[in-house]
Amino acid sequence: DQQVKQNSPSLSVQEGRISILNCDYTNSMFDYFLWYKKYPAEGPTFLISISSIKDKNEDGRFTVFLNKSAKHLSLHIVPSQPGDSAVYFCAASASSGGSNYKLTFGKGTLLTVNP
Amino acid sequence: NAGVTQTPKFRILKIGQSMTLQCTQDMNHNYMYWYRQDPGMGLKLIYYSVGAGITDKGEVPNGYNVSRSTTEDFPLRLELAAPSQTSVYFCASSYNSNTEAFFGQGTRLTVV
Repeated sequence: DQQVKQNSPSLSVQEGRISILNCDYTNSMFDYFLWYKKYPAEGPTFLISISSIKDKNEDGRFTVFLNKSAKHLSLHIVPSQPGDSAVYFCAASASSGGSNYKLTFGKGTLLTVNP
Repeated sequence: NAGVTQTPKFRILKIGQSMTLQCTQDMNHNYMYWYRQDPGMGLKLIYYSVGAGITDKGEVPNGYNVSRSTTEDFPLRLELAAPSQTSVYFCASSYNSNTEAFFGQGTRLTVV
């Protein structure tokens, strides 16, 4: 039973264009959402997060949007750069309830930015 | 600032052997986690700890054990290695449940 779903295993975009990575969740107790980036042979690194009290958080080229009613979040990268090519994981946690303390991850989306 | 350090980086085990994956963090984080990542899959939580002396099972704890005697260290023990435990293991730590977790570089384990 996957509580965090990334339905696109891969995404390919041109350098300079926008990359949009999507994530859906099923657990209504989740109240904190994160995006991680992972290069091969390295551990995931934190990219950006959003609390459920917000619907948007921006950090430079990266913006995360949260739609609580749809249980959907997305990561926008503008403009995309070749160095952004990596696997992106969506993750969620709950401050109470059965998922307390635990980060639940999606399966990841491989982003390829073509020069 | 080392962050989260995992050792070893690679290991090959024979079926039935045991080993301990080491994890240490120098950020004084209370929360520590062990995840495994199988090809094409997300990270699955094996065990976690919310402080020294406290551990709890995650999604896939069978075949593993952990201990948390200090804030810094969170070793993962495999008692009887099985081929199904071939995976990449990541240790992580965070200040609390609503802050980002920092990950180690991973341990690639192969059981043959």
